[in-house]
Amino acid sequence: NAGVMQNPRHLVRRRGQEARLRCSPMKGHSHVYWYRQLPEEGLKFMVYLQKENIIDESGMPKERFSAEFPKEGPSILRIQQVVRGDSAAYFCASSKRVPGQGAGANVLTFGAGSRLTVL
Amino acid sequence: SQELEQSPQSLIVQEGKNLTINCTSSKTLYGLYWYKQKYGEGLIFLMMLQKGGEEKSHEKITAKLDEKKQQSSLHITASQPSHAGIYLCGADVGSGNTPLVFGKGTRLSVIA
Repeated sequence: NAGVMQNPRHLVRRRGQEARLRCSPMKGHSHVYWYRQLPEEGLKFMVYLQKENIIDESGMPKERFSAEFPKEGPSILRIQQVVRGDSAAYFCASSKRVPGQGAGANVLTFGAGSRLTVL
Repeated sequence: SQELEQSPQSLIVQEGKNLTINCTSSKTLYGLYWYKQKYGEGLIFLMMLQKGGEEKSHEKITAKLDEKKQQSSLHITASQPSHAGIYLCGADVGSGNTPLVFGKGTRLSVIA
């Protein structure tokens, strides 16, 4: 039973290019979360999705960033026109239940992360 | 402002020594989660605490929740090199469908 799968593990882009990060949740999990980790800043929540719906995108920059979780296929975090400040590790996590509802609802299973470097 | 403060930021201990990491929330805690991250890897779930006074143990790691102080501590007994890594606390700070917020982490090194 594979865990949360993220790809690519490492991605290098030049300024102005697009970055697409993919995440396949754990089998049986229908809730996906994206977090960004910068050195010295910790893990910051970006967006929470269920199949075909964005539930909470309060942590995602309004411009250049978008996320989707289609009915079929992985969740995708898309960064357009990347800048050097976008260089970070992007982690995807999944869970079975809605956050806050039921014991252990927020036990997130994390992927190994995608490390984006913008040159 | 940071909702979850972890201390210390980093820690170097000699193998065999005990250590404690603290996590304090500026908001009401509805649940507290401890994760461990090795360099270049994802986060591994360690323990979840939900009730005031709750204490859980896994091997040589014990976590406690002080609901009144909005604080949790993670204690490692007789540390080993395998304990090295970054320990992050995550918390439910909203009563609704609020995803976890995380502290900045505590980087633990264990030296022989």
